[in-house]
Amino acid sequence: DSGVTQTPKHLITATGQRVTLRCSPRSGDLSVYWYQQSLDQGLQFLIQYYNGEERAKGNILERFSAQQFPDLHSELNLSSLELGDSALYFCASSVSGEGSSGSPLHFGNGTRLTVT
Amino acid sequence: GQNIDQPTEMTATEGAIVQINCTYQTSGFNGLFWYQQHAGEAPTFLSYNVLDGLEEKGRFSSFLSRSKGYSYLLLKELQMKDSASYLCAVKGGSYIPTFGRGTSLIVHP
Repeated sequence: DSGVTQTPKHLITATGQRVTLRCSPRSGDLSVYWYQQSLDQGLQFLIQYYNGEERAKGNILERFSAQQFPDLHSELNLSSLELGDSALYFCASSVSGEGSSGSPLHFGNGTRLTVT
Repeated sequence: GQNIDQPTEMTATEGAIVQINCTYQTSGFNGLFWYQQHAGEAPTFLSYNVLDGLEEKGRFSSFLSRSKGYSYLLLKELQMKDSASYLCAVKGGSYIPTFGRGTSLIVHP
């Protein structure tokens, strides 16, 4: 158990809808990362937050947004969903943002999103 | 940007040794990670290299050559439970880990 909690585990929704994915980092971790994993693309970095502030942005679509709250949990909002958004969405946390290069990411079990 | 290459699939026999290679091109370098991921599960951290050389951790070892942009993960005394995907991830100048597509390892009896 990594200590990172993601809910829900599974989500099935229709095209055009909006969903919210939730992540609680490991106790003591200030940094939260969101990754998307699809069969043909591997793990793609979406966005990182550190202690409530957006720190880095990757290949995140404009239809997607995220935030990190004062209690350090994070939410990823996906709107105007398309079939191609079907994927596993992972949240990961680490102790630091960038200073300690060796801090590994600890991943949650992911949310499997299916858009029909 | 970054480019990370790993073989797509490898097979090996229980009890044997297997080496999974990873080559990368990156702007800036702040370390290389190896993760194991079983199908449908979360990636779990295996090893970290930031200096050249070999890091050993039980049955698993990881090697890095920064000048060659090359790393490998060595798995010894293979067990059936080692069947999984192995992900190479590089921290470049942005400090964000970029993952390769992973190498699917199949261990057979």
